[in-house]
Amino acid sequence: EAQVTQNPRYLITVTGKKLTVTCSQNMNHEYMSWYRQDPGLGLRQIYYSMNVEVTDKGDVPEGYKVSRKEKRNFPLILESPSPNQTSLYFCASSGSGTPRNYGYTFGSGTRLTVV
Amino acid sequence: AQKVTQAQTEISVVEKEDVTLDCVYETRDTTYYLFWYKQPPSGELVFLIRRNSFDEQNEISGRYSWNFQKSTSSFNFTITASQVVDSAVYFCALKMDSSYKLIFGSGTRLLVRP
Repeated sequence: EAQVTQNPRYLITVTGKKLTVTCSQNMNHEYMSWYRQDPGLGLRQIYYSMNVEVTDKGDVPEGYKVSRKEKRNFPLILESPSPNQTSLYFCASSGSGTPRNYGYTFGSGTRLTVV
Repeated sequence: AQKVTQAQTEISVVEKEDVTLDCVYETRDTTYYLFWYKQPPSGELVFLIRRNSFDEQNEISGRYSWNFQKSTSSFNFTITASQVVDSAVYFCALKMDSSYKLIFGSGTRLLVRP
């Protein structure tokens, strides 16, 4: 089954304790991205990657890091989490192709609470 | 600048009523794509529809229909004969041809009461 797998689904952590949220896709997609969802703000892009070793900042990259060492994986790293990073996080992937074939597959989300 | 506006923060209807969720977008690109996603209480994002800017045909899928009007930069979503299972947050999103990024509206929370 074509899917994007995020782990964990839920995470409660303390301020300053480094954490990684994993994201893996099995569709050989070139493009992967991280979004955070906050009430009243919709989803905002954190980082994206066009392919292996190619990453770039989105709209809200502060406090986050990413890496793309393999095509299928795109982990989100919070080196020193703070309470304002409490949010619902989504990983998404998409393949290249003709415009009519553009489609996005989202992971199930990771609900992160930083206390 | 590219932007998506969903002015309705929350809508509450009684089951079997029709309801329209508004979406207004801004872009200078001539080629772009519009999306609607549903987010049920369980939290995942469920893809509903993608519409290309060069295809202004309206679309109907069961109780769902979408009205795309380039003249008013709107892509509204109507649920006919709403059901309790339609209760969710609905997001409208925009993607330019020149970018992979999805630009989301702030979402509309729909509550369908029995």
